[in-house]
Amino acid sequence: SQQGEEDPQALSIQEGENATMNCSYKTSINNLQWYRQNSGRGLVHLILIRSNEREKHSGRLRVTLDTSKKSSSLLITASRAADTASYFCATGSLDSWGKLQFGAGTQVVVTP
Amino acid sequence: DAGVTQSPTHLIKTRGQQVTLRCSPKSGHDTVSWYQQALGQGPQFIFQYYEEEERQRGNFPDRFSGHQFPNYSSELNVNALLLGDSALYLCASSLGSNRANYGYTFGSGTRLTVV
Repeated sequence: SQQGEEDPQALSIQEGENATMNCSYKTSINNLQWYRQNSGRGLVHLILIRSNEREKHSGRLRVTLDTSKKSSSLLITASRAADTASYFCATGSLDSWGKLQFGAGTQVVVTP
Repeated sequence: DAGVTQSPTHLIKTRGQQVTLRCSPKSGHDTVSWYQQALGQGPQFIFQYYEEEERQRGNFPDRFSGHQFPNYSSELNVNALLLGDSALYLCASSLGSNRANYGYTFGSGTRLTVV
């Protein structure tokens, strides 16, 4: 079973626009991570936000976390065609040690 | 600095057969996790190895087993293959002592097709 639910399932935007996707989860967490996957290959770690953090930035990425609502959002600013990929949120909890629980992902298409 | 290496890249097996997938973690990492990703789905956690022991296990049957070697590399074995085992199998490595602070490094995966 999936821990997280990403919304929307698919997103189509033009280069230069911002892309926002959301993730909701069910159980308490230690951290929440976002990954990118190109064409069904390996996942690339984008950013990790701890449960005691509310916002984090990395380059063109901005992640927020609201533990009271059990939700997170990923914003990609000034998108590029190379951002075309599937984006997954994954939650980690200390009591399950290293187990990450992934959502089903948001498929993002950026057209030139 | 090599990342996570998985082999083989692609594999086709027949129902009932057994398969072994291999993973070499990123240099400096001592923990290996395995995930199964069906088409159009997010990865599902299979199990994790640290110090040559299985530390966590997801909701997978005993047909799925693994091993970690002293050099931290790992194998995933699947017995009595079913059509439903067809998926992308991903290996991820991390440093056990920093597991709460850093993300995981994933390999490119092994695409297993069971016919």
